[in-house]
Amino acid sequence: GAGVSQSPSNKVTEKGKDVELRCDPISGHTALYWYRQSLGQGLEFLIYFQGNSAPDKSGLPSDRFSAERTGGSVSTLTIQRTQQEDSAVYLCASSLGASGYNEQFFGPGTRLTVL
Amino acid sequence: AQKITQTQPGMFVQEKEAVTLDCTYDTSDQSYGLFWYKQPSSGEMIFLIYQGSYDEQNATEGRYSLNFQKARKSANLVISASQLGDSAMYFCAMRVRYGNNDMRFGAGTRLTVKP
Repeated sequence: GAGVSQSPSNKVTEKGKDVELRCDPISGHTALYWYRQSLGQGLEFLIYFQGNSAPDKSGLPSDRFSAERTGGSVSTLTIQRTQQEDSAVYLCASSLGASGYNEQFFGPGTRLTVL
Repeated sequence: AQKITQTQPGMFVQEKEAVTLDCTYDTSDQSYGLFWYKQPSSGEMIFLIYQGSYDEQNATEGRYSLNFQKARKSANLVISASQLGDSAMYFCAMRVRYGNNDMRFGAGTRLTVKP
């Protein structure tokens, strides 16, 4: 079956431009997560969606970051006015539910480079 | 808030030997799940093993086992009979059963298997 997919796989942009990163979760998974991984670092939680509930945005680093999830499926992470420190791999994960007992399945990530 | 600590930035092991990767966690919740993920140089996050806080037996998955010591709040990963393909970053993570459902990750341990 299909896993979590993300697009694009790589994105190079100029400082100040807006970017959109897309995530297609595994079909039937109600929970969707976005993480950021800077080079050689661990994963930084950004935002979490569960079904139709309001998202948990507690991890978003600034108001330049936003995300939406349409129809409980596909999610888009938008970064406005990109800065060089936004350069990182952005990982999306989905899980069957939001229980602590549900493992997350990760997509391949989008490598963002801000010049 | 939950916190995951991995104190070993890098570990070396001889091929065919066993290795233990340390993980300690901090939470006031009684119900939670502990996870280990492997991230090879290709970047994907691969789920390895899961331990629930109420599980009385240590989890095992093939060559992976989780040494769960609840009173000490540790969840060390043991890899037996190391293989060259085990060289990767390894992340310990935790998610609580209720409340915030984001997964908190440790900083990771880079394992290198020597031939």
